[in-house]
Amino acid sequence: EPEVTQTPSHQVTQMGQEVILRCVPISNHLYFYWYRQILGQKVEFLVSFYNNEISEKSEIFDDQFSVERPDGSNFTLKIRSTKLEDSAMYFCASIHDSYIGYTFGSGTRLTVV
Amino acid sequence: GEDVEQSLFLSVREGDSSVINCTYTDSSSTYLYWYKQEPGAGLQLLTYIFSNMDMKQDQRLTVLLNKKDKHLSLRIADTQTGDSAIYFCAEYRSGNTGKLIFGQGTTLQVKP
Repeated sequence: EPEVTQTPSHQVTQMGQEVILRCVPISNHLYFYWYRQILGQKVEFLVSFYNNEISEKSEIFDDQFSVERPDGSNFTLKIRSTKLEDSAMYFCASIHDSYIGYTFGSGTRLTVV
Repeated sequence: GEDVEQSLFLSVREGDSSVINCTYTDSSSTYLYWYKQEPGAGLQLLTYIFSNMDMKQDQRLTVLLNKKDKHLSLRIADTQTGDSAIYFCAEYRSGNTGKLIFGQGTTLQVKP
């Protein structure tokens, strides 16, 4: 079964540092997403991406965040200057074109110290 | 409101049925989903239901949808210790590309 792959599985970074979280969506999928889950809380939508541009973003997705699909296979989330409150599990998801096809990666746990 | 709501915790004995409840807000939601998250793992799609259905059964899983009350439930028959996990209800919200809105998750504890 095709998978969405995320790396690294766990990243520890110092406050103020830049981090890049990486995802490889399923190859024929067209829509890409980042979600995050602060420990013990809901999974929250961050951003969606289609046709090489952001389609929708939440209030959480401020100027510190950016996404990119640099080479047609990877999909990255960059946090420019991390804050303690950015500590969370970040999930990448992709779909082809149907509502039922959301596939999530296993997540990257980001810890900001 | 924008929230999808779930009870936080459910404890059952092995072999019993589990029923996890969820209320959602968007009456135009076309799809509703149940995801399972095991400790330290990602989100695994368990099942989904289309809004024109009242019920969907898939092996030990039964999903019931009450559109009038915006209430969704997941019944797990013959619950096993391997079913211990967090269960998330999610609704599809249409938009430019659509997105999922999740509940806060129900922790299911299965006692032997």
